[in-house]
Amino acid sequence: NAGVTQTPKFQVLKTGQSMTLQCAQDMNHNSMYWYRQDPGMGLRLIYYSASEGTTDKGEVPNGYNVSRLNKREFSLRLESAAPSQTSVYFCASSEAPNGDTQYFGPGTRLTVL
Amino acid sequence: GNSVTQMEGPVTLSEEAFLTINCTYTATGYPSLFWYVQYPGEGLQLLLKATKADDKGSNKGFEATYRKETTSFHLEKGSVQVSDSAVYFCALENRDDKIIFGKGTRLHILP
Repeated sequence: NAGVTQTPKFQVLKTGQSMTLQCAQDMNHNSMYWYRQDPGMGLRLIYYSASEGTTDKGEVPNGYNVSRLNKREFSLRLESAAPSQTSVYFCASSEAPNGDTQYFGPGTRLTVL
Repeated sequence: GNSVTQMEGPVTLSEEAFLTINCTYTATGYPSLFWYVQYPGEGLQLLLKATKADDKGSNKGFEATYRKETTSFHLEKGSVQVSDSAVYFCALENRDDKIIFGKGTRLHILP
């Protein structure tokens, strides 16, 4: 039982490049989330998926897109990376979208040059 | 809208000292309250939670009581260990069912 897994762990991009961050959970959770963590800012919600087949914007969605591929997987895509997207990205999942306990992956540290 | 304010860090204590990390919230209604902990190089994990006023959440020697009258959810531990060094996040369940996190408090415990 791996919980929430994320790939890659580290990534360096040049401005304008694109990439997809992958997330998978094996807990049969309905809801999944993408956050970014910046120094002094705490965690901010980028996008979430309350259930398979649905996605919604969070607090800071600009510059990102998501895909809920199936119940297990929720990917985050940067179409044209910018230095302001340098951050640590966390994926999380929860059984229900009602403030239930969230389980986090280990994070992806992204640097955009 | 709902919000969470927690004390800024870093907080540095000696081993076996008493810990308090303050957290206050602004919310309509009575949201569930949480403390999450992030150990170095890892994602966040739930430490404890409380779902209604006067509830006390506890785990691993940490405690926090949901105080409606003071809109607070302060984290306490009677005797900290070096292994408690981490970043602690206070959080609440927002009206749209999302979790709002505070900015985090970094805790350093010296041996």
